[in-house]
Amino acid sequence: GAGVSQSPSNKVTEKGKDVELRCDPISGHTALYWYRQSLGQGLEFLIYFQGNSAPDKSGLPSDRFSAERTGGSVSTLTIQRTQQEDSAVYLCASSPSPGQGMRPQHFGDGTRLSIL
Amino acid sequence: AQTVTQSQPEMSVQEAETVTLSCTYDTSESDYYLFWYKQPPSRQMILVIRQEAYKQQNATENRFSVNFQKAAKSFSLKISDSQLGDAAMYFCAYRSWNSGNTPLVFGKGTRLSVIA
Repeated sequence: GAGVSQSPSNKVTEKGKDVELRCDPISGHTALYWYRQSLGQGLEFLIYFQGNSAPDKSGLPSDRFSAERTGGSVSTLTIQRTQQEDSAVYLCASSPSPGQGMRPQHFGDGTRLSIL
Repeated sequence: AQTVTQSQPEMSVQEAETVTLSCTYDTSESDYYLFWYKQPPSRQMILVIRQEAYKQQNATENRFSVNFQKAAKSFSLKISDSQLGDAAMYFCAYRSWNSGNTPLVFGKGTRLSVIA
């Protein structure tokens, strides 16, 4: 597809389980971002990948959260030992290479994560 | 660190009327980008309009326009001739001017209802 693709669309899991969320960015986009949107809140930055550079992990809320990006394309966000406060919509975005103007971020539809 | 404030959690407008959504931000940077995103119930974040801080002219996209007041650090969104399809959450966002890519800083959003 032409847009950012995220899977699954919805995920329900029990507290303490690990979950993996996937993001497939727009082809050719070198930057990839993960954000978290809790109920009634704006988007909170989690982690950002730019090409082959080391990711900016400054937004990850705890060491239970990690992400990787394989081959500069698909990214997986992993949450270990999930807690109820992890329940949120997780949004992925991608943007073109640096040097191409304003480079707006294009978002996927998100994964709604519910921890029971 | 930059912050974005949207002081109106909810707004409503009659169909065909005009509504203005407020956004203020705090930054010590002189160059940056500002964005308004729309999030309908489908969850996807849709870019509505964008503004480069170095441009004095206010951005316009069809029925959407902004009032950018750099000295006041204000970036309001005006929607003219409101339509039922405009009903959504609207988020104001800030991004640093950077040779690379940087994450967006979001406000908490304004929920817009359009009354037929």
